[in-house]
Amino acid sequence: DQQVKQNSPSLSVQEGRISILNCDYTNSMFDYFLWYKKYPAEGPTFLISISSIKDKNEDGRFTVFLNKSAKHLSLHIVPSQPGDSAVYFCAASPGNNNNDMRFGAGTRLTVKP
Amino acid sequence: DTGVSQNPRHKITKRGQNVTFRCDPISEHNRLYWYRQTLGQGPEFLTYFQNEAQLEKSRLLSDRFSAERPKGSFSTLEIQRTEQGDSAMYLCASSLAGGNYEQYFGPGTRLTVT
Repeated sequence: DQQVKQNSPSLSVQEGRISILNCDYTNSMFDYFLWYKKYPAEGPTFLISISSIKDKNEDGRFTVFLNKSAKHLSLHIVPSQPGDSAVYFCAASPGNNNNDMRFGAGTRLTVKP
Repeated sequence: DTGVSQNPRHKITKRGQNVTFRCDPISEHNRLYWYRQTLGQGPEFLTYFQNEAQLEKSRLLSDRFSAERPKGSFSTLEIQRTEQGDSAMYLCASSLAGGNYEQYFGPGTRLTVT
């Protein structure tokens, strides 16, 4: 069962513009959410996370927004750079012990120069 | 900086053969996870260890899959009697224990069963 869904398999944006990647989840027990970035031939790399007690977390060009009532989170990248081109995975885990992390299918972001 | 390493990076095997993959986690990490990733999907959790104890294995895909971490350092994932449906990328990750610590992933082992 897909408890974490990324409905857009791909996204293309122009360099310098904003990239918005979306993620929906169904399990109300999830309370910790993460975004990972994956380049070809490499494992996923942690990007940013957010706890359910917050609705926003910012780290440089990356901001994650959480809407618990809608069970939706999004990753904003501003400004987008060609080096951001990668597959982005949304992940969620229940409790304060992320040993059972569920991933979405990923969104391939392409940033065009 | 020594990250998570996995060997081999690629494995081609014939149906029915057994395969074993190795994962070396980041040295100070006491948690180690195994995932499977198939084409077009995100990583799928299989099992995890805290030190040498395997704390969750109900998500292993079948009884043909087993994992060990005998000394709490490196881990092995074995698939017995491989099937074509086992073809996938097998990822290992490690983290600190307790609370929400991000998992650091290795590059994965790509298994092809012919």
